Amino acid sequence: AQSVAQPEDQVNVAEGNPLTVKCTYSVSGNPYLFWYVQYPNRGLQFLLKYITGDNLVKGSYGFEAEFNKSQTSFHLKKPSALVSDSALYFCAVNYGNMLTFGGGTRLMVKP
Amino acid sequence: NAGVTQTPKFQVLKTGQSMTLQCAQDMNHEYMSWYRQDPGMGLRLIHYSVGAGITDQGEVPNGYNVSRSTTEDFPLRLLSAAPSQTSVYFCASSYATGTPSNEQFFGPGTRLTVL
Repeated sequence: AQSVAQPEDQVNVAEGNPLTVKCTYSVSGNPYLFWYVQYPNRGLQFLLKYITGDNLVKGSYGFEAEFNKSQTSFHLKKPSALVSDSALYFCAVNYGNMLTFGGGTRLMVKP
Repeated sequence: NAGVTQTPKFQVLKTGQSMTLQCAQDMNHEYMSWYRQDPGMGLRLIHYSVGAGITDQGEVPNGYNVSRSTTEDFPLRLLSAAPSQTSVYFCASSYATGTPSNEQFFGPGTRLTVL
């Protein structure tokens, strides 16, 4: 069975500073990894995914994620945070027909 | 395209009542799924469907039924609501089944409270 862990319930960062939201996974075989974002009272929106190839994946709104197979990690990053990036972020792994989510990390970007 | 739509947006039930949460998509997606979101637990898969007439259980299927008579619709039924089913429910869909690299599109959610 696959699993995803997001070790931080909340990440606080000042606007303009770089941000990192951590994610580790456990899955047999090759992982298909995703990041989704949820704004208040909204459904989830797709940010980016790793399927194969380059370990650095670029996605929407300037976000990127680094896949590290040896550390089984898929951390979400952004070089310069915006206040509008404040939201709930979910890491997920897809194996077969089932998508398994981490518990979520709330990102707070302060002006 | 309207994408993935869900009705109702809010619902309050009494213990033991039944209801159906509606989900529809207009993107001709084969794969559809239902999740529940609870604080600190992320989203957990309830049921999913890989096409009309085909459904399967996810991680937390007990107390819920589904059917898929058309490609567009995937209703979720609570037969006898319990307070433990108080949650926010999300429906999602994605392109071709058997392609786990495809991202899912989520509806806006239904907030259900069971008293």
